[in-house]
Amino acid sequence: EVHLVESGGGLVQPGGSLRLSCVASGFTFSDYWMTWVRQAPGKGLELVASINHVGSEKQFVDSLKGRITISRDNSKNSLYLQMNNLRAEDTAVYYCARAAYHSAWDYWGQGALVTVSS
Amino acid sequence: QSALTQPPSASGSPGQSVTISCTGTSSDVGGYSHVSWYQQYPGKAPKLVIYEVSERPSGVPDRFSGSKSGNTASLTVSGLQTEDEADYYCCSYAGSRYQVFGGGTKLTVL
Repeated sequence: EVHLVESGGGLVQPGGSLRLSCVASGFTFSDYWMTWVRQAPGKGLELVASINHVGSEKQFVDSLKGRITISRDNSKNSLYLQMNNLRAEDTAVYYCARAAYHSAWDYWGQGALVTVSS
Repeated sequence: QSALTQPPSASGSPGQSVTISCTGTSSDVGGYSHVSWYQQYPGKAPKLVIYEVSERPSGVPDRFSGSKSGNTASLTVSGLQTEDEADYYCCSYAGSRYQVFGGGTKLTVL
């Protein structure tokens, strides 16, 4: 059974940094593009970043470029999101998701809540 | 990348059909066949219900169907059931490996 489990969320002050992790199981992790999607409280879904099978191709939403890094370690079945210079508007639940089809994600983690506040 | 446009709300009675629209541009919805739809219950992760405009993942009831005409994609839920009450989001490829989501539609089963 496919599982995606995020960790690393929490409360961080404005300007601070945070690293989210997502551990995958139940499938061959290195066969798939992976994506981070976030959802601010009471708001819709927003794609944050995607990374290809081997980590050589990465895409970031324009509003976050320069402040985030996406990476993966296929030997550990793990996906990461490094976020720097965090702002209040980055407060959201961050989901990792598996891209099984072109521009469609068939498995999602339970989400990690990131709260940016002083 | 601008968000796709969805109606904030939709409703229907049990057994009826309801259609949710998702309007974009020729640079996203109208330009590609890579449109997906997600169902989300409060406090839960999204669930894929349609991909590639009209394909259903295994396990999704055939009451869910998708279509596209021009710059507008649509999700139709037929034979509404109470468990269909949820938020629904569309997503489209927008070129250069970017994807854009819609703002979401809250479906109420009356």
